[in-house]
Amino acid sequence: ETGVTQSPTHLIKTRGQQVTLRCSSQSGHNTVSWYQQALGQGPQFIFQYYREEENGRGNFPPRFSGLQFPNYSSELNVNALELDDSALYLCASSFGTEYNEQFFGPGTRLTVL
Amino acid sequence: DAKTTQPTSMDCAEGRAANLPCNHSTISGNEYVYWYRQIHSQGPQYIIHGLKNNETNEMASLIITEDRKSSTLILPHATLRDTAVYYCIVRVAGDSWGKFQFGAGTQVVVTP
Repeated sequence: ETGVTQSPTHLIKTRGQQVTLRCSSQSGHNTVSWYQQALGQGPQFIFQYYREEENGRGNFPPRFSGLQFPNYSSELNVNALELDDSALYLCASSFGTEYNEQFFGPGTRLTVL
Repeated sequence: DAKTTQPTSMDCAEGRAANLPCNHSTISGNEYVYWYRQIHSQGPQYIIHGLKNNETNEMASLIITEDRKSSTLILPHATLRDTAVYYCIVRVAGDSWGKFQFGAGTQVVVTP
């Protein structure tokens, strides 16, 4: 157990809907990164938040957006869901931005029908 | 970031050493080699990282060739709980941009 929690565990949505996923970082960590992991593939970096600001973004369209709150918890929002958005969404926390180790949560499994 | 090449899968007998290879022929001088693993239904877990010297911790050893174009992760006494996907990643240490680029990894199955 890493101390990083994510909710919900599983979620089913239909194409075109919007979804919000939540992450609580490990105590003392102020950086949160989000990853998308399609079935059979490695995690792909979506973006990172540090002190409530986006601090780096991967190759994902603007309909993927996020927030980080003063307590360092974070949300991932995805608008206009597409079938290809079906994946495991992982949140990872760390301290600062110059880190070597990230602590991952168990993920949220999103299914888009 | 440089890309890495790993075998798709490998088997290992319980109690034996597991040697996981990784090629990173285009690695830059300031890029480190990181290893993470992902046990089924869990998030990835950090194992070890290194620049050019061999590294060892309580989980594993990392051997990096002198030219740094390849490395080997060694699990000294594999257990059934080591069954997982192992990812080799190269990245500038402490990269403030934060991104870890995961490939497909190596599926390691430890058998009794």
